[in-house]
Amino acid sequence: GAGVSQSPSNKVTEKGKDVELRCDPISGHTALYWYRQSLGQGLEFLIYFQGNSAPDKSGLPSDRFSAERTGGSVSTLTIQRTQQEDSAVYLCASSFSGASPWNEQFFGPGTRLTVL
Amino acid sequence: AQSVTQPDIHITVSEGASLELRCNYSYGATPYLFWYVQSPGQGLQLLLKYFSGDTLVQGIKGFEAEFKRSQSSFNLRKPSVHWSDAAEYFCAVGNNDMRFGAGTRLTVKP
Repeated sequence: GAGVSQSPSNKVTEKGKDVELRCDPISGHTALYWYRQSLGQGLEFLIYFQGNSAPDKSGLPSDRFSAERTGGSVSTLTIQRTQQEDSAVYLCASSFSGASPWNEQFFGPGTRLTVL
Repeated sequence: AQSVTQPDIHITVSEGASLELRCNYSYGATPYLFWYVQSPGQGLQLLLKYFSGDTLVQGIKGFEAEFKRSQSSFNLRKPSVHWSDAAEYFCAVGNNDMRFGAGTRLTVKP
């Protein structure tokens, strides 16, 4: 079946503009994660959605970052008033929920964001 | 709070040599443990995972990892490294609330 998809694959924007990044998780996966991977850095957790529960936003670096997940499926990560330090690859992952062995995260290909 | 530490940012080994990548974690209960690999220009791929049972787990590409509860560690090993193993390796721990380490970049010398 289809894996996690993300769009766009590349996004170049000007400093101060808003951007929206989209993630389509694997069908049936109730958990969805956003990560940021900056050049030379590891994976930085941003936000986590689990079913209809309130999302875990503890990793969002500032109030310019927000995310929504509509209908328990597609998610959009929004960065307002982008800054050059926001340039990174934004990765989305999804997984089955619950304390079960099916907790493996499946990753999308990422969106490379460049802020000029 | 849970955390994952990969103490080695960058490791260089010769082709054919053995490899061990370290991972230490802090978690309230016995977590699920994972190792992922990210090859240049590629997405993350799961190498192996541990949930319970035998503490030595086998993964793809000849990798294995050993869970040591007393040391809160889940180190990744490979007996003989190939040039194609050059990549970034991430340890991850958690249950529903997964967290990743910062990664270890592996360089393989000819």
